[in-house]
Amino acid sequence: DSGVTQTPKHLITATGQRVTLRCSPRSGDLSVYWYQQSLDQGLQFLIQYYNGEERAKGNILERFSAQQFPDLHSELNLSSLELGDSALYFCASTRADRGNTIYFGEGSWLTVV
Amino acid sequence: SQQGEEDPQALSIQEGENATMNCSYKTSINNLQWYRQNSGRGLVHLILIRSNEREKHSGRLRVTLDTSKKSSSLLITASRAADTASYFCATDSIQGAQKLVFGQGTRLTINP
Repeated sequence: DSGVTQTPKHLITATGQRVTLRCSPRSGDLSVYWYQQSLDQGLQFLIQYYNGEERAKGNILERFSAQQFPDLHSELNLSSLELGDSALYFCASTRADRGNTIYFGEGSWLTVV
Repeated sequence: SQQGEEDPQALSIQEGENATMNCSYKTSINNLQWYRQNSGRGLVHLILIRSNEREKHSGRLRVTLDTSKKSSSLLITASRAADTASYFCATDSIQGAQKLVFGQGTRLTINP
């Protein structure tokens, strides 16, 4: 158990819908990352937050957004869902901004039908 | 774009044998981390090696880093069936904020 908690574990939704994925980082970790893993694209970095502020952005679509709250949990919002958004979405956390081990949650399986 | 490239893409060996996986990357790094992923599960952190380190051990794992060749290797000794998984290297570039960039992984199968 990495200490990073993600909910829901599985989600099936229709195209055009919107979903929210939730992440609780390890206790004391200030930095949260979101990654997308799909068969054709592999593990893609989406976005990073550090202590509530956006720190780095990767291959995140405009239809996707994220935020980190004062209690340090984070949410990834996916809207206008398309079939191609079906993937495993990971949250990860680390204590500081860089240089430390990054711990991953078990992921949220999203299936868009 | 992928920073780390693992080699081979797939590896199948007998239980008890050693497994070696390689990773090459493109830019200068702060550190390199190896992860294991069982099918459909989360990424389990195995080991972190910093750019000023050349070798690191953790149990049956041995990781090397050659920054001049921009490459790393992961050796699993005395493999077990439970080692069957995909293994990823991930690099933290010295430029910009920390964000691990993953390769496509090596699928390791340990045959009993």
